[in-house]
Amino acid sequence: DAMVIQNPRYQVTQFGKPVTLSCSQTLNHNVMYWYQQKSSQAPKLLFHYYDKDFNNEADTPDNFQSRRPNTSFCFLDIRSPGLGDAAMYLCATSPPEGNEQFFGPGTRLTVL
Amino acid sequence: AQKVTQAQTEISVVEKEDVTLDCVYETRDTTYYLFWYKQPPSGELVFLIRRNSFDEQNEISGRYSWNFQKSTSSFNFTITASQVVDSAVYFCALSEEDTDKLIFGTGTRLQVFP
Repeated sequence: DAMVIQNPRYQVTQFGKPVTLSCSQTLNHNVMYWYQQKSSQAPKLLFHYYDKDFNNEADTPDNFQSRRPNTSFCFLDIRSPGLGDAAMYLCATSPPEGNEQFFGPGTRLTVL
Repeated sequence: AQKVTQAQTEISVVEKEDVTLDCVYETRDTTYYLFWYKQPPSGELVFLIRRNSFDEQNEISGRYSWNFQKSTSSFNFTITASQVVDSAVYFCALSEEDTDKLIFGTGTRLQVFP
């Protein structure tokens, strides 16, 4: 089945220790997104790619970086995680412009 | 400015009751898209429906139905004969023309008790 896959599902890291979350898709969609979702809040868009074009949200901290080496894969790098970065990180994909986004199962990040 | 408001933070019902989740949106665009997503406790956001601004027909899918009214900028979601498995957080979202981004409402947590 075509889908969006996120690994790992649960990630524990230490304060200040870099961590990378990964996302892959078999849907061949142009657009890939990374969201951060904290408890009882709506998902917050961090950035998205339209093909290779990177679009950063104005309020996304510099601590968060992303890479998209090809259509299928996208990575979220958190350079120096703080306690406030503990959250669910959701990856999504979509065809361009106004189409529904398909979400992965998320990675729950814990920062100790 | 674009905005999605879900005024109901939490709703509790007993199984088999009907429940309506409200969604009000703001946009200056004439072409836009509206969505509903379900987020069960497992965390994955599940797509339920997409509506474009030119299609005001109401839609029914099994126990789910959606009422889109441009005159009141609302896109409400009704679950008929609710079941425990409907317990989740439901998000309404808006996407404007020429953008790839979703603007989410704050979500409504629905709890269905047996």
